Amino acid sequence: DTGVSQDPRHKITKRGQNVTFRCDPISEHNRLYWYRQTLGQGPEFLTYFQNEAQLEKSRLLSDRFSAERPKGSFSTLEIQRTEQGDSAMYLCASSLRQGRLETQYFGPGTRLLVL
Amino acid sequence: TQLLEQSPQFLSIQEGENLTVYCNSSSVFSSLQWYRQEPGEGPVLLVTVVTGGEVKKLKRLTFQFGDARKDSSLHITAAQTGDTGLYLCAGGHGSGNTGKLIFGQGTTLQVKP
Repeated sequence: DTGVSQDPRHKITKRGQNVTFRCDPISEHNRLYWYRQTLGQGPEFLTYFQNEAQLEKSRLLSDRFSAERPKGSFSTLEIQRTEQGDSAMYLCASSLRQGRLETQYFGPGTRLLVL
Repeated sequence: TQLLEQSPQFLSIQEGENLTVYCNSSSVFSSLQWYRQEPGEGPVLLVTVVTGGEVKKLKRLTFQFGDARKDSSLHITAAQTGDTGLYLCAGGHGSGNTGKLIFGQGTTLQVKP
């Protein structure tokens, strides 16, 4: 399978714990995005990388959230001191920017439940 | 803040009926994507439209991008139970540095047999 993969698919944690999610993009895609989706809503942009550089972060991304893409390939999203409001689906997408057109391909997501 | 408003939010129809989902914004987008999402899965791209007035057809699905590139519609002819899912529109700005997508809140479609 050469699509975007995410791990884990599901995570249940207690409030106050730290969690880390991983995203493996489609090979050779230079852009990687993180989105958050709550029940009944569309995905909301969190942050994105072009190669290893983090170029934009949403105001939604509080200081408890950090994302990395150390070698320009896979990425991790860490949430420290989780809160119940962090419960959501965390989606990763990758793309290859070619001129004006850019198509983002999404992974299956990591569903987080904070108890 | 750029917003994409989708309507209706929920739609329950019988198999064989036609339906239209709308996606409206006060902002201009360089491209508009439509995705379909199954429960517990990530969105899957259906189509990208980039030119004002553009119409694209994908089997029973017809997508239109408004002339001013602020709105779009998805029309499904003779809906089938397999069309059930969450339909999302998303706007992008191709000319800037960021390719982030602005999503609508989605339309949940239920097609009953």
